[in-house]
Amino acid sequence: ELKVEQNPLFLSMQEEKNYTIYCNYSTTSDRLYWYRQDPGKSLESLFVLLSNGAVKQEGRLMASLDTKARLSTLHITAAVHDLSATYFCAVFGYGGATNKLIFGTGTLLAVQP
Amino acid sequence: GAGVSQSPRYKVTKRGQDVALRCDPISGHVSLYWYRQALGQGPEFLTYFNYEAQQDKSGLPNDRFSAERPEGSISTLTIQRTEQRDSAMYRCASSLESDTEAFFGQGTRLTVV
Repeated sequence: ELKVEQNPLFLSMQEEKNYTIYCNYSTTSDRLYWYRQDPGKSLESLFVLLSNGAVKQEGRLMASLDTKARLSTLHITAAVHDLSATYFCAVFGYGGATNKLIFGTGTLLAVQP
Repeated sequence: GAGVSQSPRYKVTKRGQDVALRCDPISGHVSLYWYRQALGQGPEFLTYFNYEAQQDKSGLPNDRFSAERPEGSISTLTIQRTEQRDSAMYRCASSLESDTEAFFGQGTRLTVV
């Protein structure tokens, strides 16, 4: 059974500093997605990572995927307040007759002035 | 439509009543997911359709929960004899193909009193 874990669960960040969120998963997959969720809102797709070594960047966020280590990272460069949100990774699991998208536990980011 | 549409946005029901939650996916999207999200948690997988076929229902908590997608487009998640523990945000997502990026609706907030 595919399990997806994120750490840390909570990250208090200072403005202009750099941070990394980690996403580990338990079974083979080469498709990983990062989502952002603001309080009371739906999930917004940030990145789609489709192969080993894939790297995507958008503004101050950069995501990468290492399928051999079953690890993805979301790196935040020079944090700013508007990055405060909960970030989820989701892994597409291939298994027998069924494939499905499984989410991690989420990481709540709070940027302090 | 332009995005995934869910209705109703909010539903308050008395314990023991049946409820039906509707999801209208993005036009042309083959895959449709139902998730349940508790406050402060990641989306928990419930069930998944490819076209009209229910590929996986392993996440449905018990036999009071059922889902259908009879024509491969709109889907309905039905909860019979609701209980207070069913209170949560129910989210629907759709994707163009089975393993591509999933787009989420705004969700239905279910409260069982």
